[in-house]
Amino acid sequence: DSGVTQTPKHLITATGQRVTLRCSPRSGDLSVYWYQQSLDQGLQFLIHYYNGEERAKGNILERFSAQQFPDLHSELNLSSLELGDSALYFCASSTRQGSNYGYTFGSGTRLTVV
Amino acid sequence: EDQVTQSPEALRLQEGESSSLNCSYTVSGLRGLFWYRQDPGKGPEFLFTLYSAGEEKEKERLKATLTKKESFLHITAPKPEDSATYLCASMNTGFQKLVFGTGTRLLVSP
Repeated sequence: DSGVTQTPKHLITATGQRVTLRCSPRSGDLSVYWYQQSLDQGLQFLIHYYNGEERAKGNILERFSAQQFPDLHSELNLSSLELGDSALYFCASSTRQGSNYGYTFGSGTRLTVV
Repeated sequence: EDQVTQSPEALRLQEGESSSLNCSYTVSGLRGLFWYRQDPGKGPEFLFTLYSAGEEKEKERLKATLTKKESFLHITAPKPEDSATYLCASMNTGFQKLVFGTGTRLLVSP
C-alpha cells in the first residue's frame, strides 16, 4: 500500500456521461498530480494541485476538470465522455511541489467508456 | 519541450541473463532522472533518482547510471519476479513535473 488511495478502482460508463475520480494523498503530502495512462501514449501529465491551488496544467482536455479540497483530497471530473477517454487514471502525491523522491502513485482508476 | 525516449519497447530474457535498458532524455535543466517499476494494473513504484552525470545507484539486481544524455538500468542475473514495465522519467528545474517515457516491458523466463 503506497498510502495514496484512489477510488473507484474500476468504472464502466457510457459515452456522453460524467464521472468523478477521487484521490486521497499520502498523509502530509500537499501536492497532488493527475496522470492519464493509455496503451498508445504512456503516462501523460494532466494537472497539478498544491495545497488547494492549481499550479500547472498539462494536456488536459476542456471536458476535464479537477480540484483539491481543504482536507487535501482531490477529485478529477471527466464529462461528455468519449470512447477515447478509456484509460487508467493515476493520482500521485508528494510532500511539496517537487520532490527528490519523485512522486508516490496510487493504484489507479481504470475507466472504460462504452 | 522535455522528452524521454526508452528502448527497447520490450525485452525478453532468460533467468540469469543480464541486460540493460536505455533511457534518452532531453530536458531544459535536469533536476532529476527517475526510474519506476510498474506491474500490470498497478501504479508505478519508485526505484531510483539520479541527479548528475556519473552518478550510480543500486538496489538488489538493479543498477541505474546517468550520463548527460542517457540513463541506463542494468539488470544483473534477473529473476522471473523482475518481470514488469520499467519507466524512466525526467524532472526539470522549472515546473518540476515528471515527464515519462513509454517504458520497457521486461519478461524474464525461468
